[in-house]
Amino acid sequence: DTGVSQDPRHKITKRGQNVTFRCDPISEHNRLYWYRQTLGQGPEFLTYFQNEAQLEKSRLLSDRFSAERPKGSFSTLEIQRTEQGDSAMYLCASSLGTSVSQETQYFGPGTRLLVL
Amino acid sequence: AQSVTQLDSQVPVFEEAPVELRCNYSSSVSVYLFWYVQYPNQGLQLLLKYLSGSTLVKGINGFEAEFNKSQTSFHLRKPSVHISDTAEYFCAVTSYSSASKIIFGSGTRLSIRP
Repeated sequence: DTGVSQDPRHKITKRGQNVTFRCDPISEHNRLYWYRQTLGQGPEFLTYFQNEAQLEKSRLLSDRFSAERPKGSFSTLEIQRTEQGDSAMYLCASSLGTSVSQETQYFGPGTRLLVL
Repeated sequence: AQSVTQLDSQVPVFEEAPVELRCNYSSSVSVYLFWYVQYPNQGLQLLLKYLSGSTLVKGINGFEAEFNKSQTSFHLRKPSVHISDTAEYFCAVTSYSSASKIIFGSGTRLSIRP
């Protein structure tokens, strides 16, 4: 049974560059979430998908951020024109989402982004 | 809107001692409550959750938590900790109406001394 996987695990980029992260959820899970975690803080919700539909976006998700889940399976999170403040751990999670009791979110290991 | 406060950023304890990690939440609506654990270099893992029913919830690795509605608390406890419990622990809340959006606390780092 494979869990949620994320790629890459680490990314170092220069300010102004674009970066893209990928998340592969647990295979039967129809909901997929993105969070951002900065040092010393808990994860902060960014956005979530049910199948291919993006249902909610946080105000934290500026215009430079875009997320997609084109076939309702894997998802990508792109950050354009990165800024040093974007440095964080980006977490992906997935859930069955069919009832409250199955709303448990399973998290991937995260992608750590460092913007120089 | 919901919020979560974890009262201690760090908790050092000796091995085999009991531990309590404190969590208080704020919400104007009914909530679900969670504790997640993050081991070094690993993803978040669900320890336990409270949805309804019994206010004492048992989770994995010998942890338990008690939901106290009047005190708006959901403290995590373990009667005897092990070195392997060294990790960051996050309390989290969602509302009935927005169960997909988890609000996390800032975390408590539990360090176990031999």
